[in-house]
Amino acid sequence: AQSVTQLDSHVSVSEGTPVLLRCNYSSSYSPSLFWYVQHPNKGLQLLLKYTSAATLVKGINGFEAEFKKSETSFHLTKPSAHMSDAAEYFCLISSGSARQLTFGSGTQLTVLP
Amino acid sequence: GAVVSQHPSWVICKSGTSVKIECRSLDFQATTMFWYRQFPKQSLMLMATSNEGSKATYEQGVEKDKFLINHASLTLSTLTVTSAHPEDSSFYICSAQSPPGTGGVDTQYFGPGTRLTVL
Repeated sequence: AQSVTQLDSHVSVSEGTPVLLRCNYSSSYSPSLFWYVQHPNKGLQLLLKYTSAATLVKGINGFEAEFKKSETSFHLTKPSAHMSDAAEYFCLISSGSARQLTFGSGTQLTVLP
Repeated sequence: GAVVSQHPSWVICKSGTSVKIECRSLDFQATTMFWYRQFPKQSLMLMATSNEGSKATYEQGVEKDKFLINHASLTLSTLTVTSAHPEDSSFYICSAQSPPGTGGVDTQYFGPGTRLTVL
């Protein structure tokens, strides 16, 4: 069994300040972990992924995430938020022989001017 | 690379009619595609896994006779909502699993979604 928990349904930050979106996971196997972003009425865009290589993963648009096995976490960060970062963010896990994706519940990021 | 398209992007239909949604992988071959449904302010719900040349695998609670899936080629999967009713109104998103070497077998690339409204 596998699961992901996004700890915050909403996060609000001011433009230019750091962003932290939290994700914890549970898996009986070595997981692959992903962060996707979804803008309104759009599909999901891959930001970054972890697949058992480097634990610090750099993605697009200045985002990065660190895989911490001891804490079962894969939090998404960005040093300085931009207005265009306002969107819904999903943490996903894939593990086991089936490699099926399990979605987190999503975190809505609001960026204030 | 790894672009997935969906057509149409939005559709409005009358209750009782059928609607077909296409999902295409534009620059790679995808033996496996997935269909999701998303309600407002909610996460995606996996409906079915579509495998080229074989029957789709439906998730529990998804009516396979209502949501017909055909994966006729390595770049095209279709979802047909048969005898649509207002409760079928939703945002439908497909994804295609990348082949080895293009991003890893775990990576799914998502289409832009199709907004279905049933009157």
